[in-house]
Amino acid sequence: KAGVTQTPRYLIKTRGQQVTLSCSPISGHRSVSWYQQTPGQGLQFLFEYFSETQRNKGNFPGRFSGRQFSNSRSEMNVSTLELGDSALYLCASSLEGVLASPLHFGNGTRLTVT
Amino acid sequence: SQQGEEDPQALSIQEGENATMNCSYKTSINNLQWYRQNSGRGLVHLILIRSNEREKHSGRLRVTLDTSKKSSSLLITASRAADTASYFCATAVNSKLTFGKGITLSVRP
Repeated sequence: KAGVTQTPRYLIKTRGQQVTLSCSPISGHRSVSWYQQTPGQGLQFLFEYFSETQRNKGNFPGRFSGRQFSNSRSEMNVSTLELGDSALYLCASSLEGVLASPLHFGNGTRLTVT
Repeated sequence: SQQGEEDPQALSIQEGENATMNCSYKTSINNLQWYRQNSGRGLVHLILIRSNEREKHSGRLRVTLDTSKKSSSLLITASRAADTASYFCATAVNSKLTFGKGITLSVRP
């Protein structure tokens, strides 16, 4: 089975711009969750989607949004980028959701905001 | 503060030695998971232990869970240089998975 695929691998954006990150889960996995990883804050939960519905959301401003398509692929959007949004964004898929089954992570998208 | 906090923050051992890492958490959990991350890459799932389990094994890995002390430990036996990585515990609470800051393990050849 192919693993979790995240695109692009690297992104450089300017403050004020917006960005869309993509995640293709493992085939058959209905849950996709997103995480932000920074040296200062560590790994922080952004949101989880399950069968196209947002199941839960972390403590991030409304500039961070996501969606999941009928094929379980997910996108994450960040609008009005700030310097502090520079981070590694990781997506993970799981069979039954974060509470019930292990997460399978992609290699992440490294976002740099200048 | 973090729900799960690992201890120590960094650990350096010789190849062949055992490595023990600890995780403490604050609230009741559904399960606790351990992950490994090699530099700049995604996390790899190691073990999931449910709140009604006390111990699980997977190859050279042994995880224990003490819900009365709200703590877990990860033991890696007969460590190898390839075990060099960051290790995270994650606690599943209220439909969220919360990660600790991680432990940096260095295994010297």
